[in-house]
Amino acid sequence: NAGVMQNPRHLVRRRGQEARLRCSPMKGHSHVYWYRQLPEEGLKFMVYLQKENIIDESGMPKERFSAEFPKEGPSILRIQQVVRGDSAAYFCASSPGQGASYEQFFGPGTRLTVL
Amino acid sequence: GENVEQHPSTLSVQEGDSAVIKCTYSDSASNYFPWYKQELGKRPQLIIDIRSNVGEKKDQRIAVTLNKTAKHFSLHITETQPEDSAVYFCAARGLTGGGNKLTFGTGTQLKVEL
Repeated sequence: NAGVMQNPRHLVRRRGQEARLRCSPMKGHSHVYWYRQLPEEGLKFMVYLQKENIIDESGMPKERFSAEFPKEGPSILRIQQVVRGDSAAYFCASSPGQGASYEQFFGPGTRLTVL
Repeated sequence: GENVEQHPSTLSVQEGDSAVIKCTYSDSASNYFPWYKQELGKRPQLIIDIRSNVGEKKDQRIAVTLNKTAKHFSLHITETQPEDSAVYFCAARGLTGGGNKLTFGTGTQLKVEL
């Protein structure tokens, strides 16, 4: 059973470009979460999604950031017009769903560097 | 919203000694408390968790205790080994915003010295 997959593992962008990060949850998991980890810091919740629905986006910056989890395909975290402060590791996690296990399993992360 | 505080930020122990990391949370409605281990450049890995209806849970050398009244929970590692060296994060699952959101502590850098 493959774990949570993320790609790319490393992404370099220049200021003003767009970054697209992809996450495929574990097989059988319908809930996806995105977290951001700045260097030497902890993980900060960004957004929680189910298929075609955003459940909680209270951790998402109001501008430039968006997320989706379409009916088919991976979840996408999109950052428009990136700035140096966006440089961080972005982790995706997945879980089976409400009322079942609360466990969240993390992917390997995408390390975004903004030049 | 939920706030999780974690102490200490760094912890150095001799191999074979025990290590204890403590966390406090603010939201009394939080009901699930996982602990993650993160090695440098790697993903956080779940090592143990506890639900709010349980006071203690043990898995080999690792144990977690929960005091709901005081709103704090602790990770205990016994007979530490060099491979236990990593950053450890506690987290709390809140019930606001559809639930399932994990709020993390700031991490504890554990170093096990030979």
